[in-house]
Amino acid sequence: QQPVQSPQAVILREGEDAVINCSSSKALYSVHWYRQKHGEAPVFLMILLKGGEQKGHEKISASFNEKKQQSSLYLTASQLSYSGTYFCGTVYNTDKLIFGTGTRLQVFP
Amino acid sequence: DTAVSQTPKYLVTQMGNDKSIKCEQNLGHDTMYWYKQDSKKFLKIMFSYNNKELIINETVPNRFSPKSPDKAHLNLHINSLELGDSAVYFCASSQVAYTEAFFGQGTRLTVV
Repeated sequence: QQPVQSPQAVILREGEDAVINCSSSKALYSVHWYRQKHGEAPVFLMILLKGGEQKGHEKISASFNEKKQQSSLYLTASQLSYSGTYFCGTVYNTDKLIFGTGTRLQVFP
Repeated sequence: DTAVSQTPKYLVTQMGNDKSIKCEQNLGHDTMYWYKQDSKKFLKIMFSYNNKELIINETVPNRFSPKSPDKAHLNLHINSLELGDSAVYFCASSQVAYTEAFFGQGTRLTVV
């Protein structure tokens, strides 16, 4: 039931781009994205509520393909501050937010 | 003002003990959660409370029990602690499940 993220880990140089994918075996009603820095709590990035929706947050954007039961997070021109673990989250047909398996992102100078 | 606050931040205890973790939110949210994050960083939902009513009770051991004295508080009680309970526990809240969730700072529980 837990969404699966890929890749598990990404290593980047500053300025490089990355894509993180989130796939579900069940229908997705919405997709959340969060970032957790080491030793800190997860912090909300964005929510996509409709299939086909795309959203942007500075150089971080996401898309939601409802039919494929997938979402992708795009990080453009990565910065050191982007390092952390990224989680997608979804609400199935119940009132609970379930998180994906996580993707660890490290950005080096 | 901290939106979601948890206490304590660190908790070290012996096997077999009973402990509690407190959580308070001042956002006026109707939904509160408890998550467990293990050493592999997976965030697993344990409980979800909506307006003081337990709406989803995950298959966690019944040694764990959530208690909500009012809408702003959701405490976690753990009886007969085991080594495998060692993890970071996060409290979170949201207006409804489909909206942004705010997390507490986490409680690192170590059972020795």
